[in-house]
Amino acid sequence: DAKTTQPPSMDCAEGRAANLPCNHSTISGNEYVYWYRQIHSQGPQYIIHGLKNNETNEMASLIITEDRKSSTLILPHATLRDTAVYYCIVFSRNSGNTPLVFGKGTRLSVIA
Amino acid sequence: DSGVTQTPKHLITATGQRVTLRCSPRSGDLSVYWYQQSLDQGLQFLIQYYNGEERAKGNILERFSAQQFPDLHSELNLSSLELGDSALYFCASSVLSLDEQFFGPGTRLTVL
Repeated sequence: DAKTTQPPSMDCAEGRAANLPCNHSTISGNEYVYWYRQIHSQGPQYIIHGLKNNETNEMASLIITEDRKSSTLILPHATLRDTAVYYCIVFSRNSGNTPLVFGKGTRLSVIA
Repeated sequence: DSGVTQTPKHLITATGQRVTLRCSPRSGDLSVYWYQQSLDQGLQFLIQYYNGEERAKGNILERFSAQQFPDLHSELNLSSLELGDSALYFCASSVLSLDEQFFGPGTRLTVL
């Protein structure tokens, strides 16, 4: 079972920031937070990951709360092409178990 | 383009048949993962290979098998196909086990 909770859907106006929340209250100390997205039936696409510090790359920013029980993925200027299902995943990079467990994710609709 | 290739793109077959799906990982990636995505189950991890050896097993049926060859490409064999096996099958690869995964475009299997 997924260890994360995400809202099933969100809307965002084009050009505005999209803030996608994720709760992972049972995260353990060696578990990372990963974000992937899947644009309509395409293969999932890696976005960003972090352990406890905030992270930023060319696609997005990841804000992780100090207690690490929740995080927010920020797409700073959403475009129509960002419409997708966004998956928040936690797992340990030290584990030999199942690498990724995808939950139901958040379906983000970017509206013109 | 993630650099991961999958063939065929579409496959239509009948119940009871056997099919083989092929995946070529990104150049340099040692790990290959297989996932199944059906409408009612979401993305399910099936199996992982690392440098030719099975590394992790998920919800893979006994009718399904996989292998990774010396050139690192992988094949997923599905036999005694049932209607419920109709799904998108994704392959992903990563440099090392548990690194960020890069997904292929998928193979859409339809069992009639």
